[in-house]
Amino acid sequence: DGGITQSPKYLFRKEGQNVTLSCEQNLNHDAMYWYRQDPGQGLRLIYYSQIVNDFQKGDIAEGYSVSREKKESFPLTVTSAQKNPTAFYLCASSPPPSGGGRDTQYFGPGTRLTVL
Amino acid sequence: QKEVEQNSGPLSVPEGAIASLNCTYSDRGSQSFFWYRQYSGKSPELIMFIYSNGDKEDGRFTAQLNKASQYVSLLIRDSQPSDSATYLCAVTPLPYGNKLVFGAGTILRVKS
Repeated sequence: DGGITQSPKYLFRKEGQNVTLSCEQNLNHDAMYWYRQDPGQGLRLIYYSQIVNDFQKGDIAEGYSVSREKKESFPLTVTSAQKNPTAFYLCASSPPPSGGGRDTQYFGPGTRLTVL
Repeated sequence: QKEVEQNSGPLSVPEGAIASLNCTYSDRGSQSFFWYRQYSGKSPELIMFIYSNGDKEDGRFTAQLNKASQYVSLLIRDSQPSDSATYLCAVTPLPYGNKLVFGAGTILRVKS
């Protein structure tokens, strides 16, 4: 099956701990994204990557870090510097513009992070 | 001013009626427009995208875009209880910018 997988589905963290959220896709998409969603709010962009070994900060990158060593993988680390990390984290990927559906993004199932 | 605005709702419609969801955006240079459906506790699912002024139909869904007035709408015909969800509008502010800006979403409730 082609798609985007995120793990774990639920994650609990103690204050002061770093945690890493996994995102893998087998769609052969170049671009990948991380969003955070808080209750009653839209999605906010944390980081994005358009090619391997390159990534850019989104609107709320403080307290987060990413890597893009492989095309298929774009893990997100939530560091202890993130003041309010409890949220629903969504990973997305996007096909190249020539593939139709310009700028279209497809989402994984998400990881719900709770800080205890 | 928020870049993408939606009425939070909830919008309640009876089963079989037409649901009309609206979205306005602030960046006049926006090029791509999307509607996503999100069930409670789940991730967003793409319903439609539209790039040009006018209407685009896909089954029971019709997206309408008016760039001059900077709004995009989604019509759902013959609404079903399974359509009850939050509908997110998303916009690409720059041509081929690869970045989507999302509205906060409109909650739709279809009552049987």
